[in-house]
Amino acid sequence: AQTVTQSQPEMSVQEAETVTLSCTYDTSENNYYLFWYKQPPSRQMILVIRQEAYKQQNATENRFSVNFQKAAKSFSLKISDSQLGDTAMYFCAFSQAGTALIFGKGTTLSVSS
Amino acid sequence: GAGVSQTPSNKVTEKGKYVELRCDPISGHTALYWYRQSLGQGPEFLIYFQGTGAADDSGLPNDRFFAVRPEGSVSTLKIQRTERGDSAVYLCASSLEGQGHEQFFGPGTRLTVL
Repeated sequence: AQTVTQSQPEMSVQEAETVTLSCTYDTSENNYYLFWYKQPPSRQMILVIRQEAYKQQNATENRFSVNFQKAAKSFSLKISDSQLGDTAMYFCAFSQAGTALIFGKGTTLSVSS
Repeated sequence: GAGVSQTPSNKVTEKGKYVELRCDPISGHTALYWYRQSLGQGPEFLIYFQGTGAADDSGLPNDRFFAVRPEGSVSTLKIQRTERGDSAVYLCASSLEGQGHEQFFGPGTRLTVL
């Protein structure tokens, strides 16, 4: 069975700084998708970034980028120029063809001024 | 356009009662997912619909839980004989297809069983 592990329950960063959230996963499959979702206190789950496993190039969305290491089964999220609005719980998730998302336990990120 | 909506946003019930939670997906989305999120945890999969049929219901914890999507749009999650352990946030998500496409989440229903 696939599993997703987020080893950092909590992280904190100052505004404008860079922070990296870690995620590892376990699967025997070759084709899959990886995601980072953000969940603020409002509970609304919002997609931050997505990576297809067959793509070697790391995905980037504005201030958000990933470091995808397929052999190591690692998928970390880097947030540059952190903003107060980035404060939220961040979930790493895995999905295979036609299946539901498997989530990690999440990392609570606090951005302070 | 309108996103995924869920009603009610909060539901308080007593142990042993029956509850229904509703999800309205984004129009045209064929795939619909239900997840359950306990406090401080990541969401856990319950059931996945492709159109009207349940493509995967392996996440339903027991036979007290049931979900339907009769016309391939709105879905209802039904919980019989609720227990205190059922208290959680129930999230619904929809996507255009089941395979790797972005899942759009609703705001969830917080269920509290007293």
